[in-house]
This record gives sequence, C-alpha cells and structure tokens, in this order.
Amino acid sequence: AQSVTQLGSHVSVSEGALVLLRCNYSSSVPPYLFWYVQYPNQGLQLLLKYTTGATLVKGINGFEAEFKKSETSFHLTKPSAHMSDAAEYFCAVSDPNSGYALNFGKGTSLLVTP
Amino acid sequence: GAVVSQHPSRVICKSGTSVKIECRSLDFQATTMFWYRQFPKKSLMLMATSNEGSKATYEQGVEKDKFLINHASLTLSTLTVTSAHPEDSSFYICSAGDREKAKNIQYFGAGTRLSVL
Repeated sequence: AQSVTQLGSHVSVSEGALVLLRCNYSSSVPPYLFWYVQYPNQGLQLLLKYTTGATLVKGINGFEAEFKKSETSFHLTKPSAHMSDAAEYFCAVSDPNSGYALNFGKGTSLLVTP
Repeated sequence: GAVVSQHPSRVICKSGTSVKIECRSLDFQATTMFWYRQFPKKSLMLMATSNEGSKATYEQGVEKDKFLINHASLTLSTLTVTSAHPEDSSFYICSAGDREKAKNIQYFGAGTRLSVL
C-alpha cells in the first residue's frame, strides 16, 4: 500500500519568506508523487508532479519539489511566499494497483502574513 | 488544459431524498473517473473508481448501494447519494484521467458541497 505523511497541519510564513511544506511517502513500488493546492470551497489544482526522470520538478506559481528516494521525501518549496499562496496543500501518491487513484496526505494549511 | 466540470456546486436536500452529482470531462475522454469525499479540515478519501462501461470499484467501508456510481460514457460519471442523511453531508470531488495521456494525471472538478437537513 502507498501512503503519504505531511508534517505540520499548519504552516505560517511571512510574505516574501521561503515556503517549505514537508511530505514523506511510503511505497512498495516506484511512486508517482503529486502536490495539489486547494482554495476554499474549490477543487484541487495540480501544482507539480514527479513520475520519472529529473528529481527536481518545477510547477506552477513558482513552486518546486525534489524527489529524494533515500529520504522517501517530496517536499514542496517556494523561494518567496505571496499572499495569494495561502491555501490548503495536499501531497499525494499514485497507486498503480488501483488504476492510478490518488492517496492523499492530510493536508497542510499555509498561512501567509504581511 | 483539461477541464472537469462538476455539477451542482452546492446542493441542500431533505433527509431521505436522493441527490445526483455529475462529473464531466469537457475536452478529453476519461476511461476512468474517481470520486472522493472530503470532510471539514480533512483530507480527501477515495470512495470509488468509476470505469466506463463497467461497474465501479468501491473502497472498503463505502456502501455501494448508498453511493451509486454510473459511468455511461467516456465523458460523464454520476454519483447518486441515495436516501441521504445528515451524516452524508460533505464535500464530494470527482477527478478524471485523460486516456490519451498519462493515466497518472488526474484532473479535478470543483467539488459539490452537499448539505442534508
């Protein structure tokens, strides 16, 4: 079975500061990993994904994540936080045995303060 | 980019009634669609996998007779909450995979907020 653990249900950063959202995964097969963002009362928007190849993946809105197999991690970063980045962020792993359904972490709520 | 439309966005119904939620892939064909449920301040939990032309696969603990899923075409899947009760109140989200592209990419609808009185 595959799962992800997001460390920290709430993260608060100042505008302009580095954003770091942590995600660790557990998988018996090479994982496909994703980060999604959810704004209030909305669906999920894909930020970025890792399937194969380059371990540092760049996504939308200036976010990037690095797949580290040795650490079983896929942390999400952004050099400089913007007020509009305040949202709920979900890390997810794709399960090939379930037709690529996603197993989500519990989410991290990002607060950006002026 | 791929667009998934989910309708309605919000529904309020009386206890005991049934509610149908539609999930459409607007500009691509989706062999597989997924239905998730999200409780307040919680993550998304997979309810079922909907396959076009065949029966849906339900996750453990999800009542298939209560949450009826139909995937009649490559662009439409429906979730019907039968005899809804207040505990069914939740945020339901669908997603679809583009069969022409990598199946591991899911495109999400905007969700449906169900409130059962």
